[in-house]
Parts: sequence; structure tokens; C-alpha cells
Amino acid sequence: AQKVTQAQTEISVVEKEDVTLDCVYETRDTTYYLFWYKQPPSGELVFLIRRNSFDEQNEISGRYSWNFQKSTSSFNFTITASQVVDSAVYFCALSVFTGNQFYFGTGTSLTVIP
Amino acid sequence: KAGVTQTPRYLIKTRGQQVTLSCSPISGHRSVSWYQQTPGQGLQFLFEYFSETQRNKGNFPGRFSGRQFSNSRSEMNVSTLELGDSALYLCASSLDRTGGTTDTQYFGPGTRLTVL
Repeated sequence: AQKVTQAQTEISVVEKEDVTLDCVYETRDTTYYLFWYKQPPSGELVFLIRRNSFDEQNEISGRYSWNFQKSTSSFNFTITASQVVDSAVYFCALSVFTGNQFYFGTGTSLTVIP
Repeated sequence: KAGVTQTPRYLIKTRGQQVTLSCSPISGHRSVSWYQQTPGQGLQFLFEYFSETQRNKGNFPGRFSGRQFSNSRSEMNVSTLELGDSALYLCASSLDRTGGTTDTQYFGPGTRLTVL
């Protein structure tokens, strides 16, 4: 069975602080895919990043960076110098090779205070 | 390229009624998935359609059904509505070039259903 855990329910930071959102996943499949999505108040899930299980290289995109560690089954997301526009709910998701079903974590609500 | 569109955006129904939600995927995308999002249960997978066939199904009662048309547009139907069906229903599409693999899912804005 697949499972994604986002232990942080809510996080508040002051603007310009760095913040890391944690994601721990469980799967017995050797081929799998990990995703992060952002859900602003409007409700639409916005795709941020995709990683497959064979690619442990960390990625940086502007103020966003992702740390994928298979040894700890974690795929953490860091926002550097946070901004008010980063306020949203962030979801981590897992999909395995044999299907197109996404398993979502419960989400982390991030509030950036100006 | 236009994104995933869902209609209607908001819907209010009463218990016992039925409802049909519509989803138009990104042009060229062949897979459409549906999710239910509630504060208590989070994001839960309903079902996925590919080439007009249901390929995956989540753990929902038979009152929830769907279909996909030849142009990849999809509809989901909920019959005999219950109060607990109040939720944001999200549709997602993916390219699925080879079928059976995982492509990134792109989500629509959702339909917010309220059951009174």
C-alpha cells in the first residue's frame, strides 16, 4: 500500500524567513514518482515538481528547492526568503509505476506573515 | 494551451438529488482522474479514465460514477446525494503517452458541491 505523511499541519513564518515542508512516503514499489502541488485559496492545485525514484538529485528552482532522500523515504520542500504570495496549502503526492492514481498527503498550510 | 476546465464551478443540491459534473482536459491529454477533497478526509481518489475506459477506481460507493467521451472529456455523476458528499471535486488530466505509466497530473479549478 502507498502512503504519504505530511506531519506539519500548519506553519507560520515571517516574510523573508526560510521554511521547509516535510514529506515522508511509503511504498514497496521500486519505481515511483513524487510530486509537490500548491493549492492557493482559489482551490486549484498547481503543479510544482515531479521526481522519479531513480533520480535522487536535488533540484532548485528560484526560491524553491527539493531534497529527495530514498534512505529516509523523504521528499522535503524548502522555500527560501518566503513571500506573502507563498501562503497556500502544499501537498506532497506519490504515484507508482503500475497506475495513474495519486496518493496525497494531508497537506501543510503555510502562512507567510508580512 | 488552455488548462483543465470544470463546470459548473459551484453547485447547491439537496439530499436525494443527483448531480453531474463536467471536466475538459488539456488538449491532447488522454487520461482524466477525479478526486474528492474534504476538510476531514483530504484528497481522495475517485476514479481514472483512459480511452473511454475506467482504468482505476478508488474506494467510493457505487453512487459515484463517471464516464469519458471520445474527445477525452469526462463527466462524473453522484446519485442520491448525501450531506457528506459536500466537497470540492477536482478533475486532473495527464498526457499518458504510452498508457499505463505515470505522467504529471494537471488539475482544474474544481467544482464546489454543497448538499443541503
